[in-house]
Amino acid sequence: EVHLVESGGGLVNPGGSLRLSCAASGFAFSSYSINWVRQAPGKGPQWVAAISRDSTYIYYRESVEGRFTISRDNAKNSVSLQMNSLRTEDTAIYYCARVEVDNGYGSGYYQYWGQGTLVTVSA
Amino acid sequence: EIVLIQSPATLSLSPGERATLSCRASQSIRGHLAWYQQKPGQAPRLLMYDASKRATGIPARFSGSGYGTDFTLTISSLEPEDCAVYYCHQRADWPLTFGGGTKVQIK
Repeated sequence: EVHLVESGGGLVNPGGSLRLSCAASGFAFSSYSINWVRQAPGKGPQWVAAISRDSTYIYYRESVEGRFTISRDNAKNSVSLQMNSLRTEDTAIYYCARVEVDNGYGSGYYQYWGQGTLVTVSA
Repeated sequence: EIVLIQSPATLSLSPGERATLSCRASQSIRGHLAWYQQKPGQAPRLLMYDASKRATGIPARFSGSGYGTDFTLTISSLEPEDCAVYYCHQRADWPLTFGGGTKVQIK
């Protein structure tokens, strides 16, 4: 059974940092791209970052470019999202999701999601 | 950025009725559209992908159509458990984007 488990969320001051992790199991991890998607309270989902199977292709939404870094370790079946210079508008539940129907660059649809980890940026 | 506009914002129907949800893209996304269902406290659930393909385990009462800029999700006969928010999502171009959602209420 496919499992994705996020961790690392919490309360942080504006300007602070957090590192989110996504632990995967139940599938051939190195064969799938992974994306991070966030959802602010009461809002719709918002794509954040994508990493392809072998880390060749990495993409970010503009508002996090230069502040967030996505990476993966295929030996450990995990993906990380390093978040620096956090802003109040980064407050959201962060989900990692496995990419299906991959276009080869890390883009696709999300059949499997983790349960999410809450990031709250507030003074 | 490709903007996805969903309508209506809220749909209130009785069990057994047909629900028609719309998603319009600001530019052509060919058939690269998915639909998700989200219930409170849960992650989104993939219903349809590539506009008209049903995801694994999704009941046949859900169907999708469209190409280019105009897409539709149809629920042929509403069940009480279909009460949720529905989002469309395009993967045609970066950044990937989601629509604002349609809330389906069951009378």
